[in-house]
Amino acid sequence: DAGVTQSPTHLIKTRGQHVTLRCSPISGHKSVSWYQQVLGQGPQFIFQYYEKEERGRGNFPDRFSARQFPNYSSELNVNALLLGDSALYLCASSLEGGRSNNEQFFGPGTRLTVL
Amino acid sequence: DAKTTQPNSMESNEEEPVHLPCNHSTISGTDYIHWYRQLPSQGPEYVIHGLTSNVNNRMASLAIAEDRKSSTLILHRATLRDAAVYYCILRDVGANSKLTFGKGITLSVRP
Repeated sequence: DAGVTQSPTHLIKTRGQHVTLRCSPISGHKSVSWYQQVLGQGPQFIFQYYEKEERGRGNFPDRFSARQFPNYSSELNVNALLLGDSALYLCASSLEGGRSNNEQFFGPGTRLTVL
Repeated sequence: DAKTTQPNSMESNEEEPVHLPCNHSTISGTDYIHWYRQLPSQGPEYVIHGLTSNVNNRMASLAIAEDRKSSTLILHRATLRDAAVYYCILRDVGANSKLTFGKGITLSVRP
């Protein structure tokens, strides 16, 4: 079975532009979470979606938004990019949305560079 | 979110056991202890989790102190492939899927 897939793998944007990152969860997984990992730090939680509804949001500005589609894939959108948005963006999927200890399966990430 | 404290780094020799410590003195009764690791240039991967009792799986063992204020991840025979950043995370069973990562501990394995 395929694991979590993310696209693109690498992306270069300039300040002020917007970006859309995509994630396909493991087949049968209904929950998708997004994380931002800046170099040298652990991943920071951005969003969680379960059954197409937002279940959690981290401490990120409104420039960050996400959605989940009927097939459980997800997009993360970032508007008005700043240099500080340069990071590895990770997507994780799990069977359920919470209130459980389902392990999360992470994709390889999208490396975003903002110039 | 309850906080965990880990050393910044640790070195081990190949084929020897490794004990990675984690302190979580403010752990609550509903917090599970999770460990994830992140190999170079990869996303994190689940290692193990537990609540009160020690746990074993094919990857590692988790030893939890009786007062639950600390835990130790045990790799029984380190391999070069185990070189990674290991994250100790507390997760409330009633919470959403959010994982709160710290900086983790960087494990180096010498051949």
